[in-house]
Amino acid sequence: NAGVTQTPKFQVLKTGQSMTLQCAQDMNHEYMSWYRQDPGMGLRLIHYSVGAGITDQGEVPNGYNVSRSTTEDFPLRLLSAAPSQTSVYFCASRRDTEAFFGQGTRLTVV
Amino acid sequence: DQQVKQNSPSLSVQEGRISILNCDYTNSMFDYFLWYKKYPAEGPTFLISISSIKDKNEDGRFTVFLNKSAKHLSLHIVPSQPGDSAVYFCAASAYNQGGKLIFGQGTELSVKP
Repeated sequence: NAGVTQTPKFQVLKTGQSMTLQCAQDMNHEYMSWYRQDPGMGLRLIHYSVGAGITDQGEVPNGYNVSRSTTEDFPLRLLSAAPSQTSVYFCASRRDTEAFFGQGTRLTVV
Repeated sequence: DQQVKQNSPSLSVQEGRISILNCDYTNSMFDYFLWYKKYPAEGPTFLISISSIKDKNEDGRFTVFLNKSAKHLSLHIVPSQPGDSAVYFCAASAYNQGGKLIFGQGTELSVKP
């Protein structure tokens, strides 16, 4: 039982490049979400999904897209990376109210 | 608008003493509250939670208190241990608002031997 797996762990992008952060969970949780962590800002919700085929915006959705074609996977896409998207990204899945987090992806946009 | 606020960025406590971490919220629809602990280079891990129908929940050295009228909750750690040194996040959710989990800014706790 791997829990929540995020890939890659580290990534450097140039401004304007696109990429997808991968997130997979093996706990059969319906609810998944993406957060970004920035100094002094805590964890801010980017997008979330309450089940396959259903996604919704969080607190800071601009510049990010998501899709949920299966229960297990919830990828986060950056279509045109900007320096303001330099951050640590966490994926989480939930059983009821307790969320389980991945190890994070540290993204730097130069 | 920050719905969940942790106004103390850091807290330093002596080993064996009590650590008290505070959290305030503005959304009266929040009905479930959680505390998470985060070590560097790791994801947050669940610590303890409380439903809005309770005012206290205890789990070993950790106790969470909820004051709904003041929209305030606190996490007490007794006795504090050096291994408790981490960043602590308060989080809240509202069932009838999609159940989104909203986090505060975090408080970095340092427990000194």
